[in-house]
Amino acid sequence: EAGVAQSPRYKIIEKRQSVAFWCNPISGHATLYWYQQILGQGPKLLIQFQNNGVVDDSQLPKDRFSAERLKGVDSTLKIQPAKLEDSAVYLCASSESGGRNYGYTFGSGTRLTVV
Amino acid sequence: GDSVTQMEGPVTLSEEAFLTINCTYTATGYPSLFWYVQYPGEGLQLLLKATKADDKGSNKGFEATYRKETTSFHLEKGSVQVSDSAVYFCALSDGTGTASKLTFGTGTRLQVTL
Repeated sequence: EAGVAQSPRYKIIEKRQSVAFWCNPISGHATLYWYQQILGQGPKLLIQFQNNGVVDDSQLPKDRFSAERLKGVDSTLKIQPAKLEDSAVYLCASSESGGRNYGYTFGSGTRLTVV
Repeated sequence: GDSVTQMEGPVTLSEEAFLTINCTYTATGYPSLFWYVQYPGEGLQLLLKATKADDKGSNKGFEATYRKETTSFHLEKGSVQVSDSAVYFCALSDGTGTASKLTFGTGTRLQVTL
């Protein structure tokens, strides 16, 4: 089966600019996650969707980050305006409902550098 | 809240040495436990998992046993290879159904030399 697709792979922007990342999960996976992985740290959950509804966005910096999952399939994560500390790898993952039993599949990530 | 603590790296071993990477967790419920591996320039790949106490997960020569009494899930391999060089993440998933999500440790870098 096809994996989780993410684009772009790399992005370099200046601070205060905006950027968007795209994710297409595994077909049939109802739950989609966006994680932020800062260099040298473990991934941190930003937002979790179930179909097109938000389950958990408690760690999302809502003043600058937004995400949507229209039609419950692919998803877009946006940052506007970007700050230097947003430099990180943004990982998308998906799971069948009940990921704790079935597992979570990750995409290759988008590496963002803010200069 | 839920948390995962891993031993700090980097861990440097010679090829064919025995590997242990320690992982302990804190959770309010009865989580599932995972080890993910991240090779240079790649995304996270599931290495193994265990969903209940005393379960042993295994894959590619790696093993980890879910120890509820010590809240641990230590990763072991009897003989490492240069190709095992990567960053290893311990993670837990608590909650049920749509609420389940992964909480990660900080990762442990393993470097295997000839």
